[in-house]
Amino acid sequence: DIQMTQSPSSLSASVGDRVTITCRASQSISTYLNWYQQKAGTAPKLLISAASGLQSGVPSRFSGSGSGTDFTLTISSLRPEDFATYYCQQSYSPPWTFGQGTKVEVK
Amino acid sequence: EVQLVESGGGLLQPGGSLRLSCSASGFTFSSYWMHWVRQAPGKGLEWVSRINSDGSSTYTADPVKGRFTISRDNTKNTLYLQMNSLGADDTAVYYCGRNKAAAVDFWGQGTMVTVSS
Repeated sequence: DIQMTQSPSSLSASVGDRVTITCRASQSISTYLNWYQQKAGTAPKLLISAASGLQSGVPSRFSGSGSGTDFTLTISSLRPEDFATYYCQQSYSPPWTFGQGTKVEVK
Repeated sequence: EVQLVESGGGLLQPGGSLRLSCSASGFTFSSYWMHWVRQAPGKGLEWVSRINSDGSSTYTADPVKGRFTISRDNTKNTLYLQMNSLGADDTAVYYCGRNKAAAVDFWGQGTMVTVSS
């Protein structure tokens, strides 16, 4: 199975900050990398697919990059509604594994 | 509007069985692969299983292989997860999700399964 490792596991930030979350795969996954946002008590929401494809309706302050084994999710200017947990997921080969999550908290 | 509604969760004893359902609407269900993903209390997301559009191909993660079976009825626009020999480690919220372009683009609200004596 492909292992996905996110860093950091949590971070504290303020509204307006630039936030970067990284995700590393245990082997090359090309650009088969998705990012999800999950708020407490709710289902995950797809933000970015195929490493950099912003989903319809997702604000442009979210962006994704990377290929191979190293990927990044960036929030250019954090908004109050962005405090949540973020997960990366590889869809290169089954089982589709998730990273352990990164919790973005209020500083 | 795309909607996925899970049902069938509940409290049961170790060793028991349960069948979860996911009712789909707002899209052509028979054209999409579907997934089950679970989340134990306070933990991260764990992908469980997926099925192709006509039900002829499935893949199930090792922790539940041989115990869980994914299936679908395209005439009823419904996805299923049959879960047998349940243990405490299977306690989680179970989400169904629609596959689009190798991602889960829509998720249900989840159904809670609690395994406890």
